[in-house]
Amino acid sequence: EAGVTQFPSHSVIEKGQTVTLRCDPISGHDNLYWYRRVMGKEIKFLLHFVKESKQDESGMPNNRFLAERTGGTYSTLKVQPAELEDSGVYFCASSPFQASGANVLTFGAGSRLTVL
Amino acid sequence: SQELEQSPQSLIVQEGKNLTINCTSSKTLYGLYWYKQKYGEGLIFLMMLQKGGEEKSHEKITAKLDEKKQQSSLHITASQPSHAGIYLCGAGPRTNAGKSTFGDGTTLTVKP
Repeated sequence: EAGVTQFPSHSVIEKGQTVTLRCDPISGHDNLYWYRRVMGKEIKFLLHFVKESKQDESGMPNNRFLAERTGGTYSTLKVQPAELEDSGVYFCASSPFQASGANVLTFGAGSRLTVL
Repeated sequence: SQELEQSPQSLIVQEGKNLTINCTSSKTLYGLYWYKQKYGEGLIFLMMLQKGGEEKSHEKITAKLDEKKQQSSLHITASQPSHAGIYLCGAGPRTNAGKSTFGDGTTLTVKP
């Protein structure tokens, strides 16, 4: 079974440019999460999809960030325009639906974003 | 929001030695998860603890959740170089564990 795949593994862009990160979850996993770890800080929740719907986007930093999940399959996270403080590692995770909410997450390797 | 504090931040041990990593929460833990991360890889799920006093083991790694459900410890017995990496604890609300808060992580180095 393929794991959670993220692309690109590393992106270097200039301030003001646009970057789109992609996450392919495990097939059949309804839940998809985005997280971010900026240098020296802990991993923070960004948002949660259930299938194609945004369940919770309370962690999104501002309106420069746009996440989509087309057809409930893969997801993209676009940053436009990128700022220096957006640099960090963006993780995606997926899990199957669990009524109890106790989800065991499978993480991707992360996409490292460097904004110069 | 719930805050998790891990200690120590880093740990260097000789192969074969035992070690313990702690995770303390500012609020009651409804689900506590332990993950391991190797450089350039994603987080690998190790164990999930939900009940006060619960203890789980996998190979040489044991995790416990204290009775008051505000602290967890991860214990490695007879450490090996393969145990090296970053260990993170994570906790989420009862209804959605994926909306997790994470600790800063503990970097473990095992010297052969």
